[in-house]
Amino acid sequence: EVQLLESGGGLVQPGGSLRLSCAASGFTFSSYPMSWVRQAPGQGLEWVSVISGSGDSTYYADSVQGRFTISRDNSKNTLYLQMNSLRAEDTAVYYCAKEKPPWLRLFDYWGQGTLVTVSS
Amino acid sequence: EIVLTQSPGTLSLSPGERATLSCRASQSLSSSYLAWYQQKPGQAPRLLIYGAVSRATGIPDRFSGSGSGTDFTLTISRLEPEDFAVYYCQQYGSSRRGTFGQGTRVEI
Repeated sequence: EVQLLESGGGLVQPGGSLRLSCAASGFTFSSYPMSWVRQAPGQGLEWVSVISGSGDSTYYADSVQGRFTISRDNSKNTLYLQMNSLRAEDTAVYYCAKEKPPWLRLFDYWGQGTLVTVSS
Repeated sequence: EIVLTQSPGTLSLSPGERATLSCRASQSLSSSYLAWYQQKPGQAPRLLIYGAVSRATGIPDRFSGSGSGTDFTLTISRLEPEDFAVYYCQQYGSSRRGTFGQGTRVEI
């Protein structure tokens, strides 16, 4: 059974940093691109970033480019999102999501999400 | 960038009724790379439909997708109590982003 479990969310001041983790199990983690998708309170879904299965290719939404860094440790079956220079508009539930190959950005499994609140 | 517009914003129906949700793309979607997700309060989204018409694993056959080009539809043939949720369409496959629509709430 595929399981994705996010952690690392919390309250952080504007300008601060936070690192999210997503522990994966139930599938061959290194074989799949993984994404982060976020949802601001009461709002819709916004794709944030993706990393290839090997970790050598990444891509970001314009809204987080230069501030967020996605990475993965395939030996630990874990996905990460390092978030720097956080802004109030980054407040959201952050989901990690597994892609359904061969398609780009089609997500067949999601974690339960972790809430990030950026506020002073 | 492709923009997806969903309508209506809210659909008020009763159990047993038929629900018809619309998703319109600002440009034609190649190979009908259009997906539908269901999200219940406090839960993660769940993939329902991909390729505009294909049901994901474990999805009941009361859920069906149709359409091509720029106009797509999700139909729930007979609403069950557990189907009241928010539904999002998403375009995928043709770009490195995965753009979502703004969602349609199906309420009792």
